[in-house]
Amino acid sequence: EDQVTQSPEALRLQEGESSSLNCSYTVSGLRGLFWYRQDPGKGPEFLFTLYSAGEEKEKERLKATLTKKESFLHITAPKPEDSATYLCAVQSLFSGGYNKLIFGAGTRLAVHP
Amino acid sequence: ETGVTQTPRHLVMGMTNKKSLKCEQHLGHNAMYWYKQSAKKPLELMFVYSLEERVENNSVPSRFSPECPNSSHLFLHLHTLQPEDSALYLCASSQDNGDTQYFGPGTRLTVL
Repeated sequence: EDQVTQSPEALRLQEGESSSLNCSYTVSGLRGLFWYRQDPGKGPEFLFTLYSAGEEKEKERLKATLTKKESFLHITAPKPEDSATYLCAVQSLFSGGYNKLIFGAGTRLAVHP
Repeated sequence: ETGVTQTPRHLVMGMTNKKSLKCEQHLGHNAMYWYKQSAKKPLELMFVYSLEERVENNSVPSRFSPECPNSSHLFLHLHTLQPEDSALYLCASSQDNGDTQYFGPGTRLTVL
């Protein structure tokens, strides 16, 4: 069964203190791994898509990497405005040749000044 | 309007009411999705439409009834809901099924 596990559940950082969030997955044939950011009471905001092991993507203070079993979201010198829940999802194939996203439970990040 | 919009943003209903959630995408996409997000649980896919055809009904109770009249609009019709149906309901769209999904702001539903 396809599955996504994110760790830690919650992370508290001081402003400027770099860290990484983990997303481990099991899927029969990876067709894409997605990172989203979600602020309280809002819909998820797309950040990155990764398709193959070794791939890396960057956006401002965020960098996403992918291996065959997990993905990391590295946050360099975070600021309070980076506080949010970060969601990881994998693309899974289901009957009829269609795709769906399977999400992890997310990591709640709080960055304090 | 840009991106994916949802109305209403908040909804309180009794268990005997009938209501509808509306989603509209302004991105020219061909696939649309309904998700349920409950507290401390992962997003759960409810329905997938590709080119206005429903291609996934993820074991959702019949008290939830989706409708996709065209590629820009998606509805979720609600009737005789239970308190455990209280959640954030999110709509998303993608260029085609399998492409990056873009989400709306969600409808916060409370069932009394």
